[in-house]
Amino acid sequence: QVQLQESGPGLVKPSETMSLTCTVSGGSISNYYWNWIRQPPGKGLEWIGYIYHSGNTNHNPSLKGRVTMSVDTSKNQFSLKVKSVTAADTAVYYCATSRSGSSLGAFDIWGQGTMVTVSS
Amino acid sequence: SYVLTQPPSVSVAPGKTARITCGGYNIGSKSVHWYQQRPGQAPLLVIYYNSDRPSGIPERFSGSNSGNTATLTITRVEAGDEADYYCHVWHSSSDHVFGGGTKLTVL
Repeated sequence: QVQLQESGPGLVKPSETMSLTCTVSGGSISNYYWNWIRQPPGKGLEWIGYIYHSGNTNHNPSLKGRVTMSVDTSKNQFSLKVKSVTAADTAVYYCATSRSGSSLGAFDIWGQGTMVTVSS
Repeated sequence: SYVLTQPPSVSVAPGKTARITCGGYNIGSKSVHWYQQRPGQAPLLVIYYNSDRPSGIPERFSGSNSGNTATLTITRVEAGDEADYYCHVWHSSSDHVFGGGTKLTVL
């Protein structure tokens, strides 16, 4: 059973780059599309983007090119970087995937989420 | 961009039926997924591809999708069903889109 665990600093200063990692256990990172989704406090879910094990990515245009995603197959991890963060990037960040193996499918596996606060 | 509209809140008495709607242009032509999110927890998939239930999700949860509205129906509502519910579709112009969420209150 695939499980996901996010990790990263809980506090980031404005204008800096936020970096998060999601570790995949119980399965190979080579099988699925790996997504990042965030949820600002008290608000709804926002899809950030996905990466495939080959390195192909797709992301939400609303983040205006501030997003970079990467994958490390040797560590079974994938990562998210968001540059030039502001208070609007404060959110719980989830990694998630679809066991269907499709980039279009429902997200049936989620990490527990990690809270990132942007503040000086 | 594609927009999904959900009512902010729905209230229902225990044992009754709750219906949570998700509106979107021609949503009936798309595959709709639904998630339950309890406070402090990650979302949990409860319905996928409009009406399929993942293993472990009670039969009380069902979904339908037609025209401009998709609906999540929860029959014989229990106190434990109190949560936020989100609809989700993939759209060619917007990729993955979530509705704004509906807070289900069990009276």
